[in-house]
Amino acid sequence: GQSLEQPSEVTAVEGAIVQINCTYQTSGFYGLSWYQQHDGGAPTFLSYNALDGLEETGRFSSFLSRSDSYGYLLLQELQMKDSASYFCAVRENDKIIFGKGTRLHILP
Amino acid sequence: KAGVTQTPRYLIKTRGQQVTLSCSPISGHRSVSWYQQTPGQGLQFLFEYFSETQRNKGNFPGRFSGRQFSNSRSEMNVSTLELGDSALYLCASSTGGAVTGELFFGEGSRLTVL
Repeated sequence: GQSLEQPSEVTAVEGAIVQINCTYQTSGFYGLSWYQQHDGGAPTFLSYNALDGLEETGRFSSFLSRSDSYGYLLLQELQMKDSASYFCAVRENDKIIFGKGTRLHILP
Repeated sequence: KAGVTQTPRYLIKTRGQQVTLSCSPISGHRSVSWYQQTPGQGLQFLFEYFSETQRNKGNFPGRFSGRQFSNSRSEMNVSTLELGDSALYLCASSTGGAVTGELFFGEGSRLTVL
């Protein structure tokens, strides 16, 4: 079966950089996605990596190593509005499977 | 462009009852996926429909079912409700090619089972 592992909580300081890791075990892997969800809100898409390497979108970057079955989300210049849950998700054939999420706490 | 619409947003049921949730995807999107979200469990995949056909199904009992109509709107049904079915049910739509892995989520239907 599939499994995704990510830390349940991470705490960082406003203005700093934080990395959220995700390891996965699946068959038929196609790519790794990241989603952000604020309390009471819907998950929103952040990024997708199908190939090894780093993808940058503004303050957020995402990395994938297919050989290591590992990826991470990097958030720079943290702002209080980044306080949310972050989910990694893998596309396995035609379905997308999510991890349990990482709750990011940001301290002023 | 309207987003994904889920109805009802909130509902309360009692054990043994059944419930039907509705999802209207973004116009032009042919794939609809359903997820159950509970605290600490993340988003658990229920099933995915594409062009009225169920393409994938997660590890949920047969009490959970769904369907998709020709206009891509989807419904999911849970019969013989149990307390553990209390959760946020999220619907997501995509074009169906899933090339980028991008799903567009609705605000969800929050089900409470008493």
